[in-house]
Amino acid sequence: DAKTTQPPSMDCAEGRAANLPCNHSTISGNEYVYWYRQIHSQGPQYIIHGLKNNETNEMASLIITEDRKSSTLILPHATLRDTAVYYCIVRVYGGSQGNLIFGKGTKLSVKP
Amino acid sequence: NAGVTQTPKFQVLKTGQSMTLQCAQDMNHEYMSWYRQDPGMGLRLIHYSVGAGITDQGEVPNGYNVSRSTTEDFPLRLLSAAPSQTSVYFCASSYSGGGRGEQFFGPGTRLTVL
Repeated sequence: DAKTTQPPSMDCAEGRAANLPCNHSTISGNEYVYWYRQIHSQGPQYIIHGLKNNETNEMASLIITEDRKSSTLILPHATLRDTAVYYCIVRVYGGSQGNLIFGKGTKLSVKP
Repeated sequence: NAGVTQTPKFQVLKTGQSMTLQCAQDMNHEYMSWYRQDPGMGLRLIHYSVGAGITDQGEVPNGYNVSRSTTEDFPLRLLSAAPSQTSVYFCASSYSGGGRGEQFFGPGTRLTVL
């Protein structure tokens, strides 16, 4: 089973920030938080990952709480093309397996 | 780079038929994997490989075989197709199985078993 809990759906107005929450209360010290998204049944696309510090790249920002039990993915200026299912995944970094365990994710709808 | 490629894009099989889904990557990635995605669900891991000659089972391996004779290719074989195997199949690869960085996914193969 997935180790994360996400809301099944969210709406966001175009041009506004989209804040997608994720709970991972059983996360271990050596597990990272990863975010992927899947646009309209295409293959999933990597967005960002982090351990305990906040991370930012050209796509998004990742805010992880100090106790690491939850995190928020932020799309700073959502566009219609950001409409997708967003998956929050926790996984071990540096182990012998790179397996991802997907839950059902959050379906984000960006509206004009 | 073409990235991760999958063929065919669509396939219809009859119950009991066998077939091979092809997956190739040109990024010299050690780690490759196969997932299936049923309607409204997240992806589930079928088989994975951490390098040529090494494969292992994922969450839902029954009814599928894999082999990894080269770094580039990771075919998935359906031995005797069943309607329960109707799904979208995704292949993925990454630089290492250690989770260093992102996994790259192919466009998927949409399989229907009648």
